[in-house]
Amino acid sequence: DADVTQTPRNRITKTGKRIMLECSQTKGHDRMYWYRQDPGLGLQLIYYSFDVKDINKGEISDGYSVSRQAQAKFSLSLESAIPNQTALYFCATSDRDGRETQYFGPGTRLLVL
Amino acid sequence: SQQGEEDPQALSIQEGENATMNCSYKTSINNLQWYRQNSGRGLVHLILIRSNEREKHSGRLRVTLDTSKKSSSLLITASRAADTASYFCATSGANNLFFGTGTRLTVIP
Repeated sequence: DADVTQTPRNRITKTGKRIMLECSQTKGHDRMYWYRQDPGLGLQLIYYSFDVKDINKGEISDGYSVSRQAQAKFSLSLESAIPNQTALYFCATSDRDGRETQYFGPGTRLLVL
Repeated sequence: SQQGEEDPQALSIQEGENATMNCSYKTSINNLQWYRQNSGRGLVHLILIRSNEREKHSGRLRVTLDTSKKSSSLLITASRAADTASYFCATSGANNLFFGTGTRLTVIP
């Protein structure tokens, strides 16, 4: 089984809808991250969490919120989706130090109509 | 921005040839990493080089780091069709990584 899983893998939604993307990991890592990737571009950090009680904004947090339900689960919500949030979303984990190797999930492809 | 910038943006080579891609960055770093992304999939960590290292090898991969020039290079030797992917450098920030925009490598069989 994959160490970092994301659900759903693909999602189509309409403008104004609230949606949640979920991430689970079995690596036992404390740190979890949400990234966004636009076509042909690199990854931009949305939010990151050092542990259940520590959540931090990344470069592009506006329009997004997160919830760290447990060490193994980190959810990303779009409160009111808009078309320019159409992108590929990745969850990642790291052990203790966020500057070290990160382990990525397979991604969620989101289309906002 | 703390993001690294990869060069070239795209590279096409014949199978068996070597592929070299470069990364430049702007701030001081703890380490620099290279990741591979197959089309539409998650990134996979390839290699990490620390700021006090100049060169590192892993299989067919060779990474160099020049902190005075704030640059790194990734060399893939004897390329294979399966190496076709996007390659990203990631530089270490205070708590996180900053990813560049990637080099798209195509290896022609």
